[in-house]
Amino acid sequence: QQQVKQSPQSLIVQKGGISIINCAYENTAFDYFPWYQQFPGKGPALLIAIRPDVSEKKEGRFTISFNKSAKQFSLHIMDSQPGDSATYFCAASIGNYGGSQGNLIFGKGTKLSVKP
Amino acid sequence: NAGVTQTPKFQVLKTGQSMTLQCAQDMNHEYMSWYRQDPGMGLRLIHYSVGAGITDQGEVPNGYNVSRSTTEDFPLRLLSAAPSQTSVYFCASLPQWGAYEQYFGPGTRLTVT
Repeated sequence: QQQVKQSPQSLIVQKGGISIINCAYENTAFDYFPWYQQFPGKGPALLIAIRPDVSEKKEGRFTISFNKSAKQFSLHIMDSQPGDSATYFCAASIGNYGGSQGNLIFGKGTKLSVKP
Repeated sequence: NAGVTQTPKFQVLKTGQSMTLQCAQDMNHEYMSWYRQDPGMGLRLIHYSVGAGITDQGEVPNGYNVSRSTTEDFPLRLLSAAPSQTSVYFCASLPQWGAYEQYFGPGTRLTVT
């Protein structure tokens, strides 16, 4: 049973456009929703994260939108750049449960290509 | 700080061989974990540790052993390698309870023939 569903699998966007990646979750106990960025040959790196007590979080060109009632959250990349080309993973975890806040459930990833 | 380091970067094993993937962090993080990444599957948690002497299973623990004798090190042991264990393995660490930013190592690419 996949607890975090991510779409699309791949995405091609023109430079300057908006990239949107969506995730849906099933477990209402999740209370931490990070997005990770991974470049080829590298480990994932935390990009931005949100807790369910807010509906939106923005950091520079990256925004998370969170819809608790729909159990969905999305990553928006504004003014997408070729350097944003990477694989993006959404994830979720249950915080402060026996130290398991580090136990992330990942989506399957979205490969983003930004064309110049 | 070197952060989270993993060795080796690449490894080829024959079916049935055993080996240990090394992971170390110099940030005095309490929590460490191992994930495997397979194409189209995202990352899946193998084992994790909330402190020295404490380990627990994640989503896909079969075929793997871990131990945590020090805060710094969290090795992952493959007892009898199988082709299904061909994957990229990532170690990660988290500073402490209540902290959420997890730091990932550079990964070990393992091929089992």
